[in-house]
Order: sequence, then C-alpha cells, then structure tokens
Amino acid sequence: DAGITQSPRHKVTETGTPVTLRCHQTENHRYMYWYRQDPGHGLRLIHYSYGVKDTDKGEVSDGYSVSRSKTEDFLLTLESATSSQTSVYFCAISEGASYNEQFFGPGTRLTVL
Amino acid sequence: AQKVTQAQTEISVVEKEDVTLDCVYETRDTTYYLFWYKQPPSGELVFLIRRNSFDEQNEISGRYSWNFQKSTSSFNFTITASQVVDSAVYFCALLYNFNKFYFGSGTKLNVKP
Repeated sequence: DAGITQSPRHKVTETGTPVTLRCHQTENHRYMYWYRQDPGHGLRLIHYSYGVKDTDKGEVSDGYSVSRSKTEDFLLTLESATSSQTSVYFCAISEGASYNEQFFGPGTRLTVL
Repeated sequence: AQKVTQAQTEISVVEKEDVTLDCVYETRDTTYYLFWYKQPPSGELVFLIRRNSFDEQNEISGRYSWNFQKSTSSFNFTITASQVVDSAVYFCALLYNFNKFYFGSGTKLNVKP
C-alpha cells in the first residue's frame, strides 16, 4: 500500500473557525491532490500540487487554500469554516505524471457545526 | 464543459449475475484519460483501470472487463459472475487538460448472496 496518511481522521469544529488538514506521503510522489466527497457528487477536486510550492485550483476551490512546502506534505486550509464544508476529505498522490493512477489516503471526516 | 455521467445510482444483483456499470463522458480535449475506481464499504478508494483517448482496446482482467467507445463517449465496466466482495461504489473519472480530474457521482453496486 502507498504510504499516505491524513490527519486528523475526524474533526468537529464550529462555523467561522480555521481548520487545517494534513496529508503526508512517504512515496516521494510528485503530484498530490485534495478532494471532497459528498453524497450525490462523487469526488470533487479542490486543489492539486505538481511540485513543491506549485499548486493549482480544482473544480471547487472557493473557501480553501493549500500549501506544499515539502514534497511529503500537502496542507488544506479552510480559513473560516462553513457548514457547507462538512464533508469527507481525501488526499491522493500520483507518481511522475498526472495521468498515472492515484493512490488515496484514508480520508478525513470534517463536521462544521 | 467536462462531464462524467454515471446514470445508475444504485444497482442490485444476485451473486453470479453479470453486471455492467455505465459511464458516459464529455470533453472537448482530444487527449484525455479515463479511470475507474472502487470504493468498498470500508471507505478507501482503489484504482482499477486507466485508458487514454488513443487506446480504444477493450481490456479484461479476471472477472472485470472494460469497453471504451469514443463514438458514443462511453467507458463501461462489466463484472462477470459477480461476488459479494464486489459490493462497493464504483466511480468513473476523466482527466483532461493533463491536470484536471472530474469524477462521476458513482454507482453503488449491491451484490446479494
């Protein structure tokens, strides 16, 4: 199994508070992704990274920011959480090129009250 | 606009039946990739297959087979002689513009003993 961990695995927070989710990989893969999964929507891409300090927006990036200061870590930040950001968040990595298979982390369940 | 449609929200079959999961995609790109992922009840996402837009060969892997038809913009997935362990949500995904992923909303497959 690809070495991907996500922390925290579960979090409950209140509207308006900042939240940071961490994705950590031990595979030295170039590409990293953040998705959210909601019923009826499948997975939607929030942001992705194609290298250290190189990031770009996905389909649903509003309200989210990311940072990648090291190859192994990709952080997703909700500057001011809203109830609409209650979701399961998945991190994924892929080696070499974006068209290679993605390996997914275990997910983080975030509840914003 | 890019789009992936999995019109079958949920399918139920009895073990040993064959089942086909439909995926219809939409893109203006001439170079793109299509994927299938499996999400069992445990929640992790598992890569099944990747196809690029220049390779219309069908593929068979054990009980799994995939039919890619550019003429109908479809990339269907068939499970032969289904088993209870095949119960999962299956996602079809499109990679376009080399970095943008779009997942369908998923088809939940229930295989009953």
